[in-house]
Amino acid sequence: DAGVIQSPRHEVTEMGQEVTLRCKPISGHNSLFWYRQTMMRGLELLIYFNNNVPIDDSGMPEDRFSAKMPNASFSTLKIQPSEPRDSAVYFCASRGSGGWSETQYFGPGTRLLVL
Amino acid sequence: AQSVAQPEDQVNVAEGNPLTVKCTYSVSGNPYLFWYVQYPNRGLQFLLKYITGDNLVKGSYGFEAEFNKSQTSFHLKKPSALVSDSALYFCAVKRGSQGNLIFGKGTKLSVKP
Repeated sequence: DAGVIQSPRHEVTEMGQEVTLRCKPISGHNSLFWYRQTMMRGLELLIYFNNNVPIDDSGMPEDRFSAKMPNASFSTLKIQPSEPRDSAVYFCASRGSGGWSETQYFGPGTRLLVL
Repeated sequence: AQSVAQPEDQVNVAEGNPLTVKCTYSVSGNPYLFWYVQYPNRGLQFLLKYITGDNLVKGSYGFEAEFNKSQTSFHLKKPSALVSDSALYFCAVKRGSQGNLIFGKGTKLSVKP
């Protein structure tokens, strides 16, 4: 299994630009999570999908952030417009359909730098 | 409210010595507890989990963790540390019926030769 795939691995952009992060979960997994990691705030859950439906988006910082999951094998996290404070590592994770005892598996992350 | 605490920002151990990375939790109902490891510039890797059963859980790379209900702890242990174990370790607790994980702030483990 290829694991969770994220792209791009690194992104450098200027303030005000739109940024789109992509994630392909592990095949057969039905839950997908987006996290953000910073030195100051640690690991934060941004949004969580189950069967392609957003279940909990309380962690999304503000309206500049949006996430979609059009099908079971693809999700995007979009920031528009981006700001320097959005600089962080963004992780995608997926979980199988066995329920709450299942393990979340993480992708390698996208390192975002907003100048 | 569910929460998890890792009281040590950093743990320093000499290679070959036993190591312990501490984790305490607060959760309503039965806890479901996880340990992850993050190597530099990498994603989080699953190490082990406690759902039910034996309080001593064995995981990847020789790590184990002991669930202690009375102390609400889930400490990560390894009998003999390796330099390659140096990494950031996260404890996590399941949050609610949806199964979201709440992560601790992480503990940096440094193993010196």
